[in-house]
Amino acid sequence: DAEITQSPRHKITETGRQVTLACHQTWNHNNMFWYRQDLGHGLRLIHYSYGVQDTNKGEVSDGYSVSRSNTEDLPLTLESAASSQTSVYFCASSETLNTEAFFGQGTRLTVV
Amino acid sequence: TQLLEQSPQFLSIQEGENLTVYCNSSSVFSSLQWYRQEPGEGPVLLVTVVTGGEVKKLKRLTFQFGDARKDSSLHITAAQPGDTGLYLCAVSTLQGGTSYGKLTFGQGTILTVHP
Repeated sequence: DAEITQSPRHKITETGRQVTLACHQTWNHNNMFWYRQDLGHGLRLIHYSYGVQDTNKGEVSDGYSVSRSNTEDLPLTLESAASSQTSVYFCASSETLNTEAFFGQGTRLTVV
Repeated sequence: TQLLEQSPQFLSIQEGENLTVYCNSSSVFSSLQWYRQEPGEGPVLLVTVVTGGEVKKLKRLTFQFGDARKDSSLHITAAQPGDTGLYLCAVSTLQGGTSYGKLTFGQGTILTVHP
């Protein structure tokens, strides 16, 4: 079955370190998205991509970057981790712009 | 200011009770989605409503889109412990009438149904 997987599921890192969260989908979806989830804020969009070599900033993109070198993967990089980036991160993909978004199981990141 | 205001933020009820969750905005939307999220998992789509006044039913869950397409409600009849979870409403960002697939979420409603 097609799926979307995130790794790692849990990570603890130190302030100032570079961290990369992986997202891999096997649906061959063009659209991929990264959200962060914090209590009281719901999910907020960080970055998104509509296809290979395409990346765009979302609502809360400062301190994050993404790259899209193939259809299946959209890694999220925290250039210099900060305590404010402690959160649960979700990757999602969709086939077209008007169809259902499928979410991964999330990565819980703690920056100490 | 949140684009989507969900209420209540927390809801704790006994098995068998009915409940309603609201999602309100001052903006008009072409469609609205409801997601359910269980602990340790990502959100899963329950329904998409697209027409003003539309009512959709999914077993004991009834979803309604407001006539003006600014608000929506989720009603659960005879709640069960298995309904426990986080319920989120979401809308797609539009530009010039085209959906760009980017979702804006409400803050969510945490529902706990006690046996």
